[in-house]
Amino acid sequence: QSALTQPRSVSGSPGQSVTISCTGTSSDVGRNDFVSWYQQHPGKAPKLMIYDVSKRPSGVPGRFSGSKSGNTASLTISGLQAEDEADYYCCSYAASVVFGGGTKLTVL
Amino acid sequence: QITLKESGPTLVKPTQTLTLTCTFSGFSLTTRGVAVAWIRQPPGKALEWLALIYWDDDKRYSPSLESRLTLTKDTSKNQVVLTLANMDPMDTATYYCVHRGDELCFEYWGQGALVTVSS
Repeated sequence: QSALTQPRSVSGSPGQSVTISCTGTSSDVGRNDFVSWYQQHPGKAPKLMIYDVSKRPSGVPGRFSGSKSGNTASLTISGLQAEDEADYYCCSYAASVVFGGGTKLTVL
Repeated sequence: QITLKESGPTLVKPTQTLTLTCTFSGFSLTTRGVAVAWIRQPPGKALEWLALIYWDDDKRYSPSLESRLTLTKDTSKNQVVLTLANMDPMDTATYYCVHRGDELCFEYWGQGALVTVSS
């Protein structure tokens, strides 16, 4: 099963909003609403930021939001802060589990 | 509080079999809906899902690695053991043990264990 497609990098200035896309197929992203997003800082384990397309675990700031349309899911971070600079991965839990290739977010 | 920790060798030779143990606390792998996953990450690369073992001992493996992977659990010790046969330098990665609860996502991660494959 191929990895989900994410842009390799995105960037934004503090206070701005950025959106990271995650494109799959009707067999994964488009199959159900079990899409999740993970933030990973260098040398650290990933952290769950969004699950079930748009739900936030306790403790995750409201600046992080998720959505999905067809075979593409998106993570939007509004009011960018310096600490948001990290790698972000999407994940689809369908017949199998597949991750995206990762997106490096740079806060300018 | 849910915690997981991976343990095992840091260096293995090509063709050897890797055995990693995940020791966890704060949940039981006999509770309906609970699963433990293994996810790896080669240096500088993306996350890759390897396998899942469920509370009822059902197992799922990555199609690309299924022939080389085996998962077992010991509920009395709160441990899950991953074996990966015929190791190759391409298998060099940080291996994570991860809790999956009722929600189909991975909320609790171990610290990761870096395994290097080299002769």
